[in-house]
Amino acid sequence: DAGVIQSPRHEVTEMGQEVTLRCKPISGHDYLFWYRQTMMRGLELLIYFNNNVPIDDSGMPEDRFSAKMPNASFSTLKIQPSEPRDSAVYFCASSLGGDLAKNIQYFGAGTRLSVL
Amino acid sequence: DQQVKQNSPSLSVQEGRISILNCDYTNSMFDYFLWYKKYPAEGPTFLISISSIKDKNEDGRFTVFLNKSAKHLSLHIVPSQPGDSAVYFCAASPGGSQGNLIFGKGTKLSVKP
Repeated sequence: DAGVIQSPRHEVTEMGQEVTLRCKPISGHDYLFWYRQTMMRGLELLIYFNNNVPIDDSGMPEDRFSAKMPNASFSTLKIQPSEPRDSAVYFCASSLGGDLAKNIQYFGAGTRLSVL
Repeated sequence: DQQVKQNSPSLSVQEGRISILNCDYTNSMFDYFLWYKKYPAEGPTFLISISSIKDKNEDGRFTVFLNKSAKHLSLHIVPSQPGDSAVYFCAASPGGSQGNLIFGKGTKLSVKP
């Protein structure tokens, strides 16, 4: 398997624009996670899905952020409208889920977002 | 409040010596602990893990120790190599049916030749 695939790797946009980040999890993994990494807050969990259903979105900063998982092989994280403080690296991860070792998450390479 | 804490933002070690990275947690229900390693411009990669029923797990140069009574775990790297220079994240699984992990903020390890 190619691992978790995220696109784009880099995104530069202007304040107020809509941004869509994409993720393809590892085939067969039931869990998908979206994280944001910043210097101040480290690795923050934004939302996670189990079998395409959102389980916990308490980490989503505000209504400008939304995430969908229309099928087992694709998820999007959308920011509309984007603001400069949204600049960060966004990671997607997936896992088999279940007990112990199945909780190991595998991360994509991330999308570096810069909002000017 | 942080449930998983890595109190040292950075650590510098000489090549060949031991690196010890520390992690504290607050929730006694955590049943599985993991260490991830992250290089710049890459995603975190899984390094080693330990179940709460064990107190030590070893994989080559990497050993993780768990002290449940102190709610503390540590990662030992012996001997340290320049290629080990990275950010190390400690993570804990809440257990039960929850599939998420709770991450610490990371410790940046620099191994100097």
